[in-house]
Amino acid sequence: AQRVTQPEKLLSVFKGAPVELKCNYSYSGSPELFWYVQYSRQRLQLLLRHISRESIKGFTADLNKGETSFHLKKPFAQEEDSAMYYCALSGWGDDKIIFGKGTRLHILP
Amino acid sequence: DTGVSQDPRHKITKRGQNVTFRCDPISEHNRLYWYRQTLGQGPEFLTYFQNEAQLEKSRLLSDRFSAERPKGSFSTLEIQRTEQGDSAMYLCASSPGAEDEQFFGPGTRLTVL
Repeated sequence: AQRVTQPEKLLSVFKGAPVELKCNYSYSGSPELFWYVQYSRQRLQLLLRHISRESIKGFTADLNKGETSFHLKKPFAQEEDSAMYYCALSGWGDDKIIFGKGTRLHILP
Repeated sequence: DTGVSQDPRHKITKRGQNVTFRCDPISEHNRLYWYRQTLGQGPEFLTYFQNEAQLEKSRLLSDRFSAERPKGSFSTLEIQRTEQGDSAMYLCASSPGAEDEQFFGPGTRLTVL
């Protein structure tokens, strides 16, 4: 079954502390993995995708095929990082995106 | 605003009524997607179009749901005989082509009383 699991519904982190949002997936084949973010009163937007291997807004994510994980990390949290984060996947050649339930990240001052 | 737009932004209806939502994609984006998001869940795929052709439909899209993209530009999603379980945020996204980034609209929030 194709599935994305985000075990934390809410994660509270102090400003300046490291952030790690967990994501595990189940997929038969080689998926493409994404992180989407939704800031308050804004639309859902792509944060990063594993094939680009870019660091966006200080966030990185490494695909670990052995552990079927794609955790999102940032070394020093900023208040503007407070948002809803969704891990997602799609199959190669398959455009539909399967989303996790999301993790709300709350950065404490 | 040159992003994806959706209309209306909010819709309240009584059970059993029909509703129709509209999505205008980013100009020249060939692919258009519909997702549904219920409270506490991530978006769930409903269907997508390549130009005017509907290429895939999720099993979530019951026979009460129909989507069209008649001229390959805007799309409509109609729900007939609405049920309380249809209450959700309906999201539209568009992309230039296959495997390109999908850009999301603001969504239409449907409340069925």
